Amino acid sequence: AQTVTQSQPEMSVQEAETVTLSCTYDTSESDYYLFWYKQPPSRQMILVIRQEAYKQQNATENRFSVNFQKAAKSFSLKISDSQLGDAAMYFCAYRSGNTPLVFGKGTRLSVIA
Amino acid sequence: GAGVSQTPSNKVTEKGKYVELRCDPISGHTALYWYRQSLGQGPEFLIYFQGTGAADDSGLPNDRFFAVRPEGSVSTLKIQRTERGDSAVYLCASSLSGSRGDTEAFFGQGTRLTVV
Repeated sequence: AQTVTQSQPEMSVQEAETVTLSCTYDTSESDYYLFWYKQPPSRQMILVIRQEAYKQQNATENRFSVNFQKAAKSFSLKISDSQLGDAAMYFCAYRSGNTPLVFGKGTRLSVIA
Repeated sequence: GAGVSQTPSNKVTEKGKYVELRCDPISGHTALYWYRQSLGQGPEFLIYFQGTGAADDSGLPNDRFFAVRPEGSVSTLKIQRTERGDSAVYLCASSLSGSRGDTEAFFGQGTRLTVV
């Protein structure tokens, strides 16, 4: 079974600084998708960024980028120029084909003004 | 609707009672998912519908849990004989299709169930 591991329960970053959230996963599939979701106190999961495993180029969405290392099964999220509104729970997730999303346990990010 | 809607937002029930949680997906989305999120954990998969049928119910923890989607849109998650361990946030998500891994899943704000 596929598993997703987030080893950092909590992280903090100074406003305007850069922070990296870690994620590793385990799978025997060769074709899959990886996602980072943000969950603010409102509880609604919001897609931040996604990466197709067959693409070597790391995905980027404005201040958010990933470092995808397929051989190492690592998928970290980098947030640049951190803003107060970035404070939330961040979940790494995996999906292959038509299987449901598999989530990690999450990392709580605090942004210090 | 504009987004995935879940009702009620919060539900408090007594141990042993029956509860129903409702999910109204984005119009036109054929795939619908239910997840359970316990405190301090990530969402855990419960059941996935493609249209009216349950394509995968392997995540339902036991036979007290059941879900339906009779017309391929609104879905109801039903929990019988609730236990305190059922307390969690129940999240619903929908997507245009369940067959493609890159299809974005849109989540509702969840129902926080508290069993006392």
